[in-house]
Amino acid sequence: QKEVEQDPGPLSVPEGAIVSLNCTYSNSAFQYFMWYRQYSRKGPELLMYTYSSGNKEDGRFTAQVDKSSKYISLFIRDSQPSDSATYLCAGGSQGNLIFGKGTKLSVKP
Amino acid sequence: GAVVSQHPSRVICKSGTSVKIECRSLDFQATTMFWYRQFPKQSLMLMATSNEGSKATYEQGVEKDKFLINHASLTLSTLTVTSAHPEDSSFYICSAAGQGGSYNEQFFGPGTRLTVL
Repeated sequence: QKEVEQDPGPLSVPEGAIVSLNCTYSNSAFQYFMWYRQYSRKGPELLMYTYSSGNKEDGRFTAQVDKSSKYISLFIRDSQPSDSATYLCAGGSQGNLIFGKGTKLSVKP
Repeated sequence: GAVVSQHPSRVICKSGTSVKIECRSLDFQATTMFWYRQFPKQSLMLMATSNEGSKATYEQGVEKDKFLINHASLTLSTLTVTSAHPEDSSFYICSAAGQGGSYNEQFFGPGTRLTVL
């Protein structure tokens, strides 16, 4: 079993929809969790970063972590075509990160 | 967020040659830099972790004599792919973490696409 599992999609939604992206992880040692956005042929861009269980909100983005079930989510409200990208979740400890495969999201105008 | 640059952005080389990729943190001092490789439709796979002034720590299965990493300063790390072969063709991405932000936050460069003919 991979340490971080993520459905690769692709996921296609209409503009304005609420998007839910999810990952599960198996490593109980993970201390922090991150969501990155990666546009085609570009490096990943950090979106959200959280240590603890619960929700963290930043604009249209909400990251949710449930350590008891080892489940992490990213919600995007009022999705825009510019949100079309691959979203990578990651869990980490001791400064290292383990990434999921990424979910490719397409937001249609 | 912090800015990390990579150079070159794209390189095509012949089999057997060596290629050097530079990773620079432009506005903060990176105590740790990471090198990843990403194949199409795959996740980022960590190759090695380097701390400034120390030898890099390589992940299992990564040949340290083939992928030479130098982290000589707090703003520059280099990855040299020696005697490159077609199977080394991939997207190489560096990230930096350190002063100026949480140690655990990694800021990524734009990546270098290597094609070995």
